[in-house]
Amino acid sequence: AQKVTQAQTEISVVEKEDVTLDCVYETRDTTYYLFWYKQPPSGELVFLIRRNSFDEQNEISGRYSWNFQKSTSSFNFTITASQVVDSAVYFCALSEAGDDKIIFGKGTRLHILP
Amino acid sequence: DAGITQSPRYKITETGRQVTLMCHQTWSHSYMFWYRQDLGHGLRLIYYSAAADITDKGEVPDGYVVSRSKTENFPLTLESATRSQTSVYFCASSDFLAGGPDTQYFGPGTRLTVL
Repeated sequence: AQKVTQAQTEISVVEKEDVTLDCVYETRDTTYYLFWYKQPPSGELVFLIRRNSFDEQNEISGRYSWNFQKSTSSFNFTITASQVVDSAVYFCALSEAGDDKIIFGKGTRLHILP
Repeated sequence: DAGITQSPRYKITETGRQVTLMCHQTWSHSYMFWYRQDLGHGLRLIYYSAAADITDKGEVPDGYVVSRSKTENFPLTLESATRSQTSVYFCASSDFLAGGPDTQYFGPGTRLTVL
């Protein structure tokens, strides 16, 4: 059965610090997709990234970067030089090929303190 | 406007009443989904639909009914609302890829309170 674990329930860092959000997943499939979503205080869910299991290259998008390691079943998300606007709940999610659904982790609430 | 919309955005109702939450998308996505979000539980799938007239249960379907007569609409009905159904409800849609659904894009959510 597929599962996503975000062990960090809540994290607080001071602005400009780097912060890494952990995501560990479980799946028996060799083909699967991993996602990160952001939910700011306004409540909407914003898609950040989608990565398939055959692409282990790290991804960088501005201050955001993602580290995908199949050996440890992890897909961690790092924010460099954090800003107050990064304060949000971040969800990691997993979808197996051939499955219609995405399974979400319970989220990590990130507080960036000015 | 293109995208995915939900209505109403806020709803207060009483126990035992029927409530319908609406979801509309303009992308012609094949898949549509309903989730509820509660503290401590993250996002839990209620129902989903792979195409018009095709629906299936998710993790927490009890007390809910869905239909999908048109590709763009996916209403969620609480036939007899209970206090435990107080939650924030999100609708999402995604396109179809050969291996399954693509990225899900979410509506703004409906905050439902059952008194």
